[in-house]
Amino acid sequence: SQTIHQWPATLVQPVGSPLSLECTVEGTSNPNLYWYRQAAGRGLQLLFYSVGIGQISSEVPQNLSASRPQDRQFILSSKKLLLSDSGFYLCAWSVMAGFKETQYFGPGTRLLVL
Amino acid sequence: SQQGEEDPQALSIQEGENATMNCSYKTSINNLQWYRQNSGRGLVHLILIRSNEREKHSGRLRVTLDTSKKSSSLLITASRAADTASYFCATDAQETSGSRLTFGEGTQLTVNP
Repeated sequence: SQTIHQWPATLVQPVGSPLSLECTVEGTSNPNLYWYRQAAGRGLQLLFYSVGIGQISSEVPQNLSASRPQDRQFILSSKKLLLSDSGFYLCAWSVMAGFKETQYFGPGTRLLVL
Repeated sequence: SQQGEEDPQALSIQEGENATMNCSYKTSINNLQWYRQNSGRGLVHLILIRSNEREKHSGRLRVTLDTSKKSSSLLITASRAADTASYFCATDAQETSGSRLTFGEGTQLTVNP
């Protein structure tokens, strides 16, 4: 069966410090991978998606970047965190089921930038 | 597990017609959200309606929420071929560790030109 891991679960970082959040998927190959951010009480905002190794598409201009060094590894990074980067970050992978694409979410990382 | 259940699973209409999709859920929520997904792309947030709201509009979108029936509907008026996508509802239930989104299975909308 497929599983998706994210770490760390919680992170407190000072403004201006770097960031690296990791997401790995097991039990599937060549998945589509996604990074979302959810501000408290708000909807998910799609940040990045990837259809293959080294292929990253950015949905919104921002202080963050993403990389996919391996088929089942997706990393979200920042060189210098801003206060506005605080939020709940979710990684997801997807698979086509018929004509629908079903997304499966990881447990998320709660980031607080102080 | 998926809490929201969208209805219908698939909907095919002609351009210019209205499309209505429904969502039912089971537990108490803080808000309910609708998302759109084009094949191979990520989920895009469309609209959020809070538990104390009954109706909300955004452009050609109209969302209703009936907390007594635990149901919501998404209406797309004057549909266009570009509206072809999967539409998901998601419920946001407050938990001790923070809010948690639970997605339904989705409705596949096809708008024929």
